[in-house]
Amino acid sequence: DARVTQTPRDKVTEMGQEVTMRCQPILGHNTVFWYRQTMMQGLELLAYFRNRAPLDDSGMPKDRFSAEMPDATLATLKIQPSEPRDSAVYFCASGRTGGFGETQYFGPGTRLLVL
Amino acid sequence: RKEVEQDPGPFNVPEGATVAFNCTYSNSASQSFFWYRQDCRKEPKLLMSVYSSGNEDGRFTAQLNRASQYISLLIRDSKLSDSATYLCVVGAGSYQLTFGKGTKLSVIP
Repeated sequence: DARVTQTPRDKVTEMGQEVTMRCQPILGHNTVFWYRQTMMQGLELLAYFRNRAPLDDSGMPKDRFSAEMPDATLATLKIQPSEPRDSAVYFCASGRTGGFGETQYFGPGTRLLVL
Repeated sequence: RKEVEQDPGPFNVPEGATVAFNCTYSNSASQSFFWYRQDCRKEPKLLMSVYSSGNEDGRFTAQLNRASQYISLLIRDSKLSDSATYLCVVGAGSYQLTFGKGTKLSVIP
């Protein structure tokens, strides 16, 4: 049963520290999405990759957030420096082709708390 | 106006009851529609896609009204295991999905 995996599952850090979240998409999937979920805003798209190329990061605060795909099996989301307002659950999702109406498969999420 | 709006609930219903959720969307160019289910402290998972003609999957029925821009989900014979948050999801482009904040359902013994 193929799944998206994410590490760490939980992260508590202090304001100003760097946070790196990792995601392994389902093998063979060519698209990766990073979402952030909060009670206030719900699920928001932060970044989208297809074939490892970043195609949309308009939802991401550029000054402190960065997303990369060093290879097809690893996507990273980095926050530097972190702030308390970044506290949220960060989900990675993958899809086969990014095609219209395609199902996205979510990982278990990284629960981030910035003190 | 929010892009995808849902009643947050909670909907507290007894086992065996029928419950319906509605969702409205603002982008008339939306082309794909889904219901995702999210259990407490878990990730969202696809429950079902919503087609123009309406579709049914066991106890679940989804309908789409393009003219009024709303989507519905009907759950018949509710089970305790149906307790979750149900996310209405709308797609307007090739990959972009807009998620509603969800409707919480609690099925009570």
